[in-house]
Amino acid sequence: AQSVTQPDIHITVSEGASLELRCNYSYGATPYLFWYVQSPGQGLQLLLKYFSGDTLVQGIKGFEAEFKRSQSSFNLRKPSVHWSDAAEYFCAVGSNNAGNMLTFGGGTRLMVKP
Amino acid sequence: DGGITQSPKYLFRKEGQNVTLSCEQNLNHDAMYWYRQDPGQGLRLIYYSQIVNDFQKGDIAEGYSVSREKKESFPLTVTSAQKNPTAFYLCATGRGGGVKTQYFGPGTRLLVL
Repeated sequence: AQSVTQPDIHITVSEGASLELRCNYSYGATPYLFWYVQSPGQGLQLLLKYFSGDTLVQGIKGFEAEFKRSQSSFNLRKPSVHWSDAAEYFCAVGSNNAGNMLTFGGGTRLMVKP
Repeated sequence: DGGITQSPKYLFRKEGQNVTLSCEQNLNHDAMYWYRQDPGQGLRLIYYSQIVNDFQKGDIAEGYSVSREKKESFPLTVTSAQKNPTAFYLCATGRGGGVKTQYFGPGTRLLVL
């Protein structure tokens, strides 16, 4: 069965600092990978996704993520965080062998210090 | 305005009562999903439907029921059998075929009186 681990439950960074949110997945074949963001009391918004091709993926709001097969990771990065980036971030993995369903990680809550 | 709508935004349930959460979409997506989110936790799949008049149980279907009579609509009923229904419920949609990007509605928060 596929699974997703987000090791950091909470992360606090200063505004303007760089950010990296970790995501590790467990799945044998090439996975389909996603990052979503959720503001309090809201639904999830897609930041970016990886299906195939270039392993460095650009998304909205200045975010990017890199697929590293050897490390089973899909970490999310942003070079300079803005106060409006404070939210919860979810990594998800899908596969054709798992009924095309997505499995979500537990989320990482990002706080931004002024 | 296109997208996914969920109503109501807040819903209160009394003991022994069934309540229904609405999810409507005008994206023309074939697949629809219901997730439950508890504080500080990820999303857990309740039910999903890949096509009209067909749906499948997810990981935590007990105490819930759904229908898919129209492509645009996928209502979720939280029955009295669900003993701990307080949560945030999210509806999502996706295009047909293979692993899909899922698009989410704004959610419904269910509280027990």
